[in-house]
Amino acid sequence: GAGVSQSPSNKVTEKGKDVELRCDPISGHTALYWYRQRLGQGLEFLIYFQGNSAPDKSGLPSDRFSAERTGESVSTLTIQRTQQEDSAVYLCASSFGQGYGSEKLFFGSGTQLSVL
Amino acid sequence: KNEVEQSPQNLTAQEGEFITINCSYSVGISALHWLQQHPGGGIVSLFMLSSGKKKHGRLIATINIQEKHSSLHITASHPRDSAVYICATPPTGNQFYFGTGTSLTVIP
Repeated sequence: GAGVSQSPSNKVTEKGKDVELRCDPISGHTALYWYRQRLGQGLEFLIYFQGNSAPDKSGLPSDRFSAERTGESVSTLTIQRTQQEDSAVYLCASSFGQGYGSEKLFFGSGTQLSVL
Repeated sequence: KNEVEQSPQNLTAQEGEFITINCSYSVGISALHWLQQHPGGGIVSLFMLSSGKKKHGRLIATINIQEKHSSLHITASHPRDSAVYICATPPTGNQFYFGTGTSLTVIP
């Protein structure tokens, strides 16, 4: 596609429910990143996929968070048993490169998650 | 202590002014990103630089790897430049660090 696509753009869910967020990176981009931004706060890095390497999950806030990526394509971020503190904009970015973020990032428009 | 420090945190300028935003970091890096976040929340990557200087339109970014310092300059600022500017640096490993952002308001 022309850019990084995220879906849904908005998600309202009840506390305790599971949610799945999707990111379609730019075709050919080997690196994919997930971030989140809580209201009024800065960006918080969550997880990073580079090619077929296993991701480092240490940045995920809790074991309720998991992320997968199939090859160098779509990624899903799953939050189980959502809590109100999970409410944030979840951003995905991709880049073309083999290094540790040494290529320009392209961001999706984000998924606004609201946990009631 | 933050690994990435930005200054100033808030900046108000008159249209046409020359603007400088500074970023200092304490971690080893291979590159540094400057990001722009618009009031609606969308994020655009302005620059990725690993040395020297890059220019795009009225925006100029410089980096001094030895001094661990980068600056973003905006010449002839315009109200549409109003946004939050964020520097981000990936250290060795998979942790990425962000500055807290500089909120810029350009007044007509």
